[in-house]
Amino acid sequence: DGGITQSPKYLFRKEGQNVTLSCEQNLNHDAMYWYRQDPGQGLRLIYYSQIVNDFQKGDIAEGYSVSREKKESFPLTVTSAQKNPTAFYLCASSIDHATSGRNEQYFGPGTRLTVT
Amino acid sequence: SQQGEEDPQALSIQEGENATMNCSYKTSINNLQWYRQNSGRGLVHLILIRSNEREKHSGRLRVTLDTSKKSSSLLITASRAADTASYFCATDAYSGAGSYQLTFGKGTKLSVIP
Repeated sequence: DGGITQSPKYLFRKEGQNVTLSCEQNLNHDAMYWYRQDPGQGLRLIYYSQIVNDFQKGDIAEGYSVSREKKESFPLTVTSAQKNPTAFYLCASSIDHATSGRNEQYFGPGTRLTVT
Repeated sequence: SQQGEEDPQALSIQEGENATMNCSYKTSINNLQWYRQNSGRGLVHLILIRSNEREKHSGRLRVTLDTSKKSSSLLITASRAADTASYFCATDAYSGAGSYQLTFGKGTKLSVIP
């Protein structure tokens, strides 16, 4: 059963704590992405990675960090520096990024993070 | 970065009717994609239309692209209650340094009433 998994589905944290969201894919895709979605809004790109051990900032990278030590995994850490961390976080992957404009992105089910 | 803008923001129709959603964007694109999102779920890719294509079909979906007007439309024919979801257009464009970026609009929320 191929696809992208994100865990957990719901996550609750206290303000000031760092939290790491998991994203795993078994599609053998080179490129992976993290997006943030706020109510009634579209998706905004946080970080993306084209290959292992490489990643690039997206439009709203401040307060977030990522790593790409394995092709299958692209965890996202929401740090205490992120001013408004409560949101729905979506991970996606595509065959590659260099020509990603020509390829569709496959999305995980998302993690809803609530910080109080 | 450029962004597609969907219109209308919300659409409510009866089952069996057709639903049309529009997307406008600002700069040249490589391709335009439509995605669907059920409430609280991830996005699912529906269709991709390249900048040199004008129309594409997939089952009950019909997408048009007018690059001169920088707009696209998604038509869902003979809608079903199961089509209730949010629909997003995403524009793919060159973002510099040999890289492309997919940029999403805010979506159209479609409600199909049984």
